[in-house]
Parts: sequence; C-alpha cells; structure tokens
Amino acid sequence: SQQGEEDPQALSIQEGENATMNCSYKTSINNLQWYRQNSGRGLVHLILIRSNEREKHSGRLRVTLDTSKKSSSLLITASRAADTASYFCAVLTTDSWGKLQFGAGTQVVVTP
Amino acid sequence: EAGVTQSPTHLIKTRGQQATLRCSPISGHTSVYWYQQALGLGLQFLLWYDEGEERNRGNFPPRFSGRQFPNYSSELNVNALELEDSALYLCASSPWTAGDTEAFFGQGTRLTVV
Repeated sequence: SQQGEEDPQALSIQEGENATMNCSYKTSINNLQWYRQNSGRGLVHLILIRSNEREKHSGRLRVTLDTSKKSSSLLITASRAADTASYFCAVLTTDSWGKLQFGAGTQVVVTP
Repeated sequence: EAGVTQSPTHLIKTRGQQATLRCSPISGHTSVYWYQQALGLGLQFLLWYDEGEERNRGNFPPRFSGRQFPNYSSELNVNALELEDSALYLCASSPWTAGDTEAFFGQGTRLTVV
C-alpha cells in the first residue's frame, strides 16, 4: 500500500487564491518531500521537511508537518496559472532506506 | 550543469520483447533511482543503485532488472514485456541516499507496449 496519500485528488482555483493540499502517511519517517510534475514529465523538488521540523517556507510555498497525526500540508499562496501541475508528497520511512515512497498526487488547475 | 538525462524519450515495443532504458545522473551523484508511473497514477519505486550496487528494490517481478556502471550511469531492463508495463519510467539521482537531500529527476522515458 502507498505511504504518502494526497488529498484532495484534484483542486481547481482561480489566480490569486491559495491552494492547500494534504498528505498522510502510515509509519515513522525520516523526512517528507514535496514535488511538482508538469504534464506527465519529470518531477521538480519543492521542499524537504525533516521529522523534527514543524514548518518550512520557500517563496510562496509553506509546508507543515505533524508527526503525531502523520500528516503534512502544502500551501501555495497567491497562485498563478503557472502553478498548474500535479503535486506529490514523498516520504522516506525509517524502515526502508533510500526508497522514497510517493502518493498518487493532487492535480491542481489554476485558472487565469 | 547538465541535469539527469534519460534515453530514449519514447519507446514502442511489442509484447514479449525486451526494453532497455538508460539514465545519466548529474555529475558527482552516485545514487540512481528508477520509478514507474502508470498513466494517471503516482510513482512506484523500482530500484535504487549506489556505487554500482543494487541497494533496494520495489515490489516488481524479476523481469525488471538493471545495473549501474562505473561512471554511475544506469540501465533499466524490462524483459518479456507485458501490456501493463506501458508507463512513464523516471530516473532520479542524488549525491547520496535520497533521504537527507532531494532527488533530481530526468524527463522520463515513455514506454508503450503494443
């Protein structure tokens, strides 16, 4: 079964709005990472948050991690049409070194 | 600096044939990872190579195999192709285990089995 599971599966918003997506996982992790994929091509790394961290920021991105609830959220503020993509969370669990486990992703569409 | 490069971009094979996919990591990266992404689905971990050795393997049958060369480039071989092997195959590299650092992905090879 997949470790990272994103919610919602799809999200449609207008430019300027915020987009929030969530990720849940099952076991203890070393870290959690968020990636973006445009049009079914390669993934681009967004943020890595370690298990002892609670929040990280990068530009318009904010990631939170709650290890007690085994969940993370990615917030994109002031979205742009260029943010249209699929967003994936990936976890590195403590029992499977080197094996980043991805969820099925959240498809985000930002309308101008 | 060149990113992770994969070849070919597209590959069409007939059921039962063998496919070979290639990946060149970023210079200085020793770890290479392979993932399979079926249409509309998430990434499924296939293989992890580091320093020429297979370090971890996902839940795929033995007909999925690969190797890493001394220059850290890698090949993924899929034998006895089946229709459900049609997918985007992504390669990623990292300077060490993709645990403490991000993984850098190539653009993928889209394999179609007919």
